[in-house]
Amino acid sequence: EVQLVESGGGLVHPGGSLRLSCTASGFIFSSYSMNWVRQAPGKGPEWVSFISNKISPTYYADSVKGRFTISRDNAKNSLYLQMNSLRAEDTAVYYCARDISPAYDALDFWGRGTMVTVSS
Amino acid sequence: DIQMTQSPSSLSASVGDRVTITCRASQNINIYLNWYQQKPGKAPKLLIYATSSLQSGVPSRFSGSGSGTDFTLTISSLQPDDFATYYCQQSYTTPPRTFGPGTKVDIK
Repeated sequence: EVQLVESGGGLVHPGGSLRLSCTASGFIFSSYSMNWVRQAPGKGPEWVSFISNKISPTYYADSVKGRFTISRDNAKNSLYLQMNSLRAEDTAVYYCARDISPAYDALDFWGRGTMVTVSS
Repeated sequence: DIQMTQSPSSLSASVGDRVTITCRASQNINIYLNWYQQKPGKAPKLLIYATSSLQSGVPSRFSGSGSGTDFTLTISSLQPDDFATYYCQQSYTTPPRTFGPGTKVDIK
């Protein structure tokens, strides 16, 4: 069974940093590209970042470019999101999600999410 | 960036109704369009990818069509489990992979 479990969320002050983790199981992690998607309270999903199964390339939404860094450790079946210079508008549930295949970009499995709250 | 719109933003329907949701892209995205269902407090769930391909395990009452800029999601006979919010998402360009604003389907 495919499972994605996020962790690392919490309350952080504006300007602070947080590192999210996503632990994968039930599939060959190194074969799949991965993504982070966030959803602010009462809003729709917003794609945040992508990383290829081969570590590169990586892509970011304009709203987080230069502040967030996506990475992965295929040996540990883990995906990460380093978030720096956090703003109130970064408050959201953050999901990790798997791409369905190398040939097509659709998010076929999602974790349950981890809440990030940026507030003073 | 490609912008996505959906209509209607919400609708009320009864069990057994045929429901159609429309998604429009601001430019040609070929067939690179996906649909997700989301229930409160849960992650989105992939229903349809590449416009019309049904994701494994998704009931056949869900179908998708379209190409270019205009797409539809159809639920042929609405079931109690289908009351949720539906989002389209383009995957023609990355970045970004834009989601639509959503269509909430609730009980009439």
